[in-house]
Amino acid sequence: QKEVEQNSGPLSVPEGAIASLNCTYSDRGSQSFFWYRQYSGKSPELIMSIYSNGDKEDGRFTAQLNKASQYVSLLIRDSQPSDSATYLCAVNPPTGANSKLTFGKGITLSVRP
Amino acid sequence: DAGVTQSPTHLIKTRGQQVTLRCSPKSGHDTVSWYQQALGQGPQFIFQYYEEEERQRGNFPDRFSGHQFPNYSSELNVNALLLGDSALYLCASSFTGSGNTIYFGEGSWLTVV
Repeated sequence: QKEVEQNSGPLSVPEGAIASLNCTYSDRGSQSFFWYRQYSGKSPELIMSIYSNGDKEDGRFTAQLNKASQYVSLLIRDSQPSDSATYLCAVNPPTGANSKLTFGKGITLSVRP
Repeated sequence: DAGVTQSPTHLIKTRGQQVTLRCSPKSGHDTVSWYQQALGQGPQFIFQYYEEEERQRGNFPDRFSGHQFPNYSSELNVNALLLGDSALYLCASSFTGSGNTIYFGEGSWLTVV
């Protein structure tokens, strides 16, 4: 079983719709969870971090964490063409501060005008 | 405030050669991690440096080595290059105690021919 899995893409949504990106992880003791956005040919950019069960909202982005189900998701409301990118889920295993991040393969989102 | 800077941005090497990639962390950051991102994959952790020592290492062979200098900058060295080493090499910096939030540089694209 892969440590961090993201549902296979690509994902295509119309402009203005809600895009839902999902991620599961295998290490039950994981403490920190991150979503990165990566435009083609560019490096990953941190967009959300979440540490506690529940929802965390930042503008049009909402991260949801369910540690019991080992599941973290990212919702993008009012999707815009500029949101078209690859979204990477990353998990920090429970080995202390500043530990290495384990990334999923990423899911490519395309927002249709 | 300069972010994470990496050099060179692109380079082409021949199989068997050696390469050195450089990274300057974000101002105030003391920890540097290196990741390899192959095409279509998420970043994979190579190793992490803190206080000039390798603190953690991922599943990479000894051909991959690094160094951190007193000013927190870092180098990644890869010896005996293989075609499979072709990838985007990402440097990430963080501050110990910052909740594991890391910030990536723009990366160095390495092509091995």
